[in-house]
Amino acid sequence: NAGVMQNPRHLVRRRGQEARLRCSPMKGHSHVYWYRQLPEEGLKFMVYLQKENIIDESGMPKERFSAEFPKEGPSILRIQQVVRGDSAAYFCASSPTLRDSCIFGDGTRLSIL
Amino acid sequence: SQQGEEDPQALSIQEGENATMNCSYKTSINNLQWYRQNSGRGLVHLILIRSNEREKHSGRLRVTLDTSKKSSSLLITASRAADTASYFCATDPGSSNTGKLIFGQGTTLQVKP
Repeated sequence: NAGVMQNPRHLVRRRGQEARLRCSPMKGHSHVYWYRQLPEEGLKFMVYLQKENIIDESGMPKERFSAEFPKEGPSILRIQQVVRGDSAAYFCASSPTLRDSCIFGDGTRLSIL
Repeated sequence: SQQGEEDPQALSIQEGENATMNCSYKTSINNLQWYRQNSGRGLVHLILIRSNEREKHSGRLRVTLDTSKKSSSLLITASRAADTASYFCATDPGSSNTGKLIFGQGTTLQVKP
């Protein structure tokens, strides 16, 4: 039973390009969360999704960032027109129910040149 | 505002010694969780303690929760070099019905062989 799979593990983009981060939750998990971790800091909540629905996006910047979790396929975190400040590790987590503990993926490390 | 504050920020001990990390938070919670993060990896869930629980054990880990003081501690007994990692507390706020977590800044633990 594979864990939460994120790809790519590392992503390098130039300023102004788009970054697409993918997350496949664990089998049977319908709750997906995205978190961002800046160097030497804890994780900050970005968005919570269920299949085809964004439930809570209170932690996501209003511009350039979007997330989806389609009926088929992985959850996608999309960052348009990236800037240097977007450099961070982005983690996806999934859980089977609201009150279960989350399983985290190994993250995507995004570097902006 | 940062929900979880952890201390110490860094801890260095000898193998075999015990390590204690503390976490304080600001608002009411549904539960509090502790995670470990090895360098360059995702978070590994260690233990979840609910708001109506005071103490929980898992192997060499002991977690306490004092809701009157809004604080928790993680004790690792008989530490091993493999315990070297960053440790984060995370709260599931009482005001939230989404399962999102608010993380502290973490404690970096180094266990010297």
